[in-house]
Amino acid sequence: DADVTQTPRNRITKTGKRIMLECSQTKGHDRMYWYRQDPGLGLRLIYYSFDVKDINKGEISDGYSVSRQAQAKFSLSLESAIPNQTALYFCATSEAGGGNTIYFGEGSWLTVV
Amino acid sequence: AQSVTQPDIHITVSEGASLELRCNYSYGATPYLFWYVQSPGQGLQLLLKYFSGDTLVQGIKGFEAEFKRSQSSFNLRKPSVHWSDAAEYFCAVGANGQNFVFGPGTRLSVLP
Repeated sequence: DADVTQTPRNRITKTGKRIMLECSQTKGHDRMYWYRQDPGLGLRLIYYSFDVKDINKGEISDGYSVSRQAQAKFSLSLESAIPNQTALYFCATSEAGGGNTIYFGEGSWLTVV
Repeated sequence: AQSVTQPDIHITVSEGASLELRCNYSYGATPYLFWYVQSPGQGLQLLLKYFSGDTLVQGIKGFEAEFKRSQSSFNLRKPSVHWSDAAEYFCAVGANGQNFVFGPGTRLSVLP
């Protein structure tokens, strides 16, 4: 089983709809992240959480919200999806401290039509 | 704030040829540096990382990278490319207590 699991893996939704992407991890890490990947732009950080009570905005948080339900669970919501939120979304985890590896889920393809 | 550039958007090499992917970073202190690979339809997998010590770092799948402080570079190399190396490669920089910043990626195509 994957260490970082994302659901759904693929979703098509309509403009204006609310959608949630879920992430769970079995690595026991405190830190969790949501990234968005667009061609030519690499990965951009949406939100991150250093522990259950800590939520921080990343580079591109507008239009998104998150919830850290437990150490192992971190969900990303699009309250009212728009077409330019069509992208590949990655959840990731890491241990605290610098130099630690980030472990990624397999990604969730979201298409907003 | 840290930043990462990968000057090459797309590189094509023949199988068996050598490979070098370029990465330049901007950061005020000694950074933590990473190379990740993303195969089609997959998440990102760590190839190697540098945070201290020997500036030549060995990774998985026969890859290595060299940290050059004077050039603010962390280029990835492989002496002989295999068809299975076709993927997208991301360089990333992190700093203690801070988040990671990823470069835009370099797509590698391998000709038979």
